[in-house]
Amino acid sequence: LAKTTQPISMDSYEGQEVNITCSHNNIATNDYITWYQQFPSQGPRFIIQGYKTKVTNEVASLFIPADRKSSTLSLPRVSLSDTAVYYCLGAAGNKLTFGGGTRVLVKP
Amino acid sequence: DTGVSQDPRHKITKRGQNVTFRCDPISEHNRLYWYRQTLGQGPEFLTYFQNEAQLEKSRLLSDRFSAERPKGSFSTLEIQRTEQGDSAMYLCASSLVGGRGLNEQFFGPGTRLTVL
Repeated sequence: LAKTTQPISMDSYEGQEVNITCSHNNIATNDYITWYQQFPSQGPRFIIQGYKTKVTNEVASLFIPADRKSSTLSLPRVSLSDTAVYYCLGAAGNKLTFGGGTRVLVKP
Repeated sequence: DTGVSQDPRHKITKRGQNVTFRCDPISEHNRLYWYRQTLGQGPEFLTYFQNEAQLEKSRLLSDRFSAERPKGSFSTLEIQRTEQGDSAMYLCASSLVGGRGLNEQFFGPGTRLTVL
């Protein structure tokens, strides 16, 4: 199981780019780095996952260096509705092990 | 709405009572997971099924907890002799093995259990 470490909280403003870095020093070779978003009183929602280098989809980008000991989730031009908890985890297609996540607050 | 539904959404019970929760996954999904989440913490894995087979159970799942997925479709999670420490949000998720995202699970809205 990959134990991850990420900031407890971050503040940002509307329109800014938010970057959340996660450390996962002992990630397993088979694990993909995966990010989830969770709003209050809802279940988590898958955002993005990757193994190495850079992955981009319609909502975020994920940067993973060659050593895979960390990753950075990038949320471009955030809005108030991006206020949520963001979880980084490593997994290989079965159970998910969530840490405490990063609480992102987007201010007007 | 992810397509995963859970019932009930809220349950208040007295200590010592039994409770049962239901989860209906996305119909074509062959994997179904149960997680528990307490306030301020990330979800904790409890158990998962592939079709009707229960493949893994967490140590968190004491003998008071039992989960079933009898026909490989919906699942139930029962807690017997509830304790105040069981108060939490119980989340169900489903996924398709070999689907688009290796670790993409679709979560339901959860059942919030309060044990008095």
